[in-house]
Amino acid sequence: GENVEQHPSTLSVQEGDSAVIKCTYSDSASNYFPWYKQELGKRPQLIIDIRSNVGEKKDQRIAVTLNKTAKHFSLHITETQPEDSAVYFCAASRGGGGNKLTFGTGTQLKVEL
Amino acid sequence: DAGVIQSPRHEVTEMGQEVTLRCKPISGHNSLFWYRQTMMRGLELLIYFNNNVPIDDSGMPEDRFSAKMPNASFSTLKIQPSEPRDSAVYFCASNFRPRSAVATRANEQFFGPGTRLTVL
Repeated sequence: GENVEQHPSTLSVQEGDSAVIKCTYSDSASNYFPWYKQELGKRPQLIIDIRSNVGEKKDQRIAVTLNKTAKHFSLHITETQPEDSAVYFCAASRGGGGNKLTFGTGTQLKVEL
Repeated sequence: DAGVIQSPRHEVTEMGQEVTLRCKPISGHNSLFWYRQTMMRGLELLIYFNNNVPIDDSGMPEDRFSAKMPNASFSTLKIQPSEPRDSAVYFCASNFRPRSAVATRANEQFFGPGTRLTVL
């Protein structure tokens, strides 16, 4: 089955700096890669996703890149703000096989003032 | 739209008791997922349903766990008997999966608020 590894497990940045979280996956058939943000005590919520037919996607301060050959994808947050502090999860899915998501282990992002 | 609804939000029970968690997916969604979240193991998929049919239950930890989806608007996850190591937050999520036989595009999974289970 799919295996998703995520690094780093914790990340501390100064407000205004950029943050990068990286994930690798094992199943070459995976074609859908969402990122979820989970605030303390809350549910995971989708913040951005990318499909295997594109290499990069951007939404305001958030961007995701995908390298299919190397089987890794990354989340980039620019101009970080305190409200970006949360746990971020990457995930991978074959999409067509029933939408089963395999999650990474999460990254605790702390944005310091 | 009320989103995915889960009940109860918190459950405290004693070891050996039966626990039933409930989920109502978003209206119109035809896929439902049960996840368990712990500090040690992260977010784990337990089981998921497409059109009320269980598709993959390989994540169910053992026979003490069972899940049902009797109709498109309701699912239960049951633990019997419960054990302290079952303590976790259990999330239900739903999405819409097109019925096309051709490889379909995955869509966003919407998570419920979760049930925090504590087994003493």
